Amino acid sequence: EVHLVQSGGGLVQPGGSLRLSCAASGFTFNNYALNWVRQAPGEGLEWVATINGGGFGTYYADSVKGRFTISRDNSNHTLHLQMNSLRAEDTALYYCAKAAAWFGELLWFDSWGQGTPVTVSS
Amino acid sequence: EIVLTQSPGTLSLSPGERATLSCRASQSVSGGYLAWYQQKPGQTPRLLVYGASRRAAGIPDRFSGSGSGTDFTLTISRLEPEDFAVYYCQVYGSSPLTFGGGIKVESK
Repeated sequence: EVHLVQSGGGLVQPGGSLRLSCAASGFTFNNYALNWVRQAPGEGLEWVATINGGGFGTYYADSVKGRFTISRDNSNHTLHLQMNSLRAEDTALYYCAKAAAWFGELLWFDSWGQGTPVTVSS
Repeated sequence: EIVLTQSPGTLSLSPGERATLSCRASQSVSGGYLAWYQQKPGQTPRLLVYGASRRAAGIPDRFSGSGSGTDFTLTISRLEPEDFAVYYCQVYGSSPLTFGGGIKVESK
């Protein structure tokens, strides 16, 4: 059974930084692309970033490009999201999500972490 | 970027009724690369359908997806009490991945 357990997040001032992590188990970690998806309070889902299984291919939403960095540690089965220059509009519940198939990168998602809240406020 | 527009915003239906949820894309979705998710309050999204019409593992057959090109539909043949939730469509296959704004199916 797939498990994605998230950590990190919290309250940060505008302009600050935060690092999210997602520990994975239950699947062949380096065979699957992984993603970050966020949901602002009372709003819908917004894709943030994707990293392929090898870790050498990354994709970002325009809203976070140049500020956020997605990375993975295939030895420790962990996904990360480094968030810099945070803005109030980055306030959301952040989910890690596993791509549903071992082939490809930009796919649909079949497993989700529990979500971790990020609040950007002074 | 493919923009997905879901309608209606809210569907008010009774248990046992049929629900028809629409997802319209701003341009043709190649390969039928469209998925549907269900999200209940305080829960993570749950995959229902991918490839426009393929039901995910463990999803009851009252859920069905259809469509191609720019028009896609999720149908719930007979609403069960546990089906009242928000439903999102998502396009995949190229960057950026995008979601529709969601449709809330509420009990009348």
